[in-house]
Amino acid sequence: DVKVTQSSRYLVKRTGEKVFLECVQDMDHENMFWYRQDPGLGLRLIYFSYDVKMKEKGDIPEGYSVSREKKERFSLILESASTNQTSMYLCASRAGVGYTFGSGTRLTVV
Amino acid sequence: AQSVTQLDSQVPVFEEAPVELRCNYSSSVSVYLFWYVQYPNQGLQLLLKYLSGSTLVKGINGFEAEFNKSQTSFHLRKPSVHISDTAEYFCAVSVSNAGNNRKLIWGLGTSLAVNP
Repeated sequence: DVKVTQSSRYLVKRTGEKVFLECVQDMDHENMFWYRQDPGLGLRLIYFSYDVKMKEKGDIPEGYSVSREKKERFSLILESASTNQTSMYLCASRAGVGYTFGSGTRLTVV
Repeated sequence: AQSVTQLDSQVPVFEEAPVELRCNYSSSVSVYLFWYVQYPNQGLQLLLKYLSGSTLVKGINGFEAEFNKSQTSFHLRKPSVHISDTAEYFCAVSVSNAGNNRKLIWGLGTSLAVNP
């Protein structure tokens, strides 16, 4: 089975900090995604990548950037964390039509 | 714009009762349909998917869904639920995008609460 691993389950960061959320997949998938999940808003796509060093903005990219230096790793970066970025962050990878999700990182910005 | 509507935000049900979670999507020429489940404090897990062929799709944990093209629906059903089915359920639709890519559009989720 494909495994998508998010490095942290829970994170607490201070306002203004630079935050890195890491995601690694082990099945050589080309496509990787970052979502945030908020109550009542469902899953919203932040960024996605369809190849190494390639990235595309999703529906809510403001305040975020991404990095994909290697095929298996897709990092989400909060350049200057703000309290409205407190959320559950989900990473996914895809081959064909099926998505595989990581366990999520619950980020709290104080 | 394409959209996915999960008609019930919360569904309470007693253990061993049947359940149906409803999902409708806006029309598109070519769609793939998915149901995902999210247990508390976990990521999303694929329950089942419809790509083509038989409109009745069977998934894990005894769930099934029926693709109805004329009604643009993909409702999820289980004949007898367990306490362990308590979770958030998401319907998603993959549609063709510009440049022959596909985009996944999500419903807002249905919270299933199974009570003893």
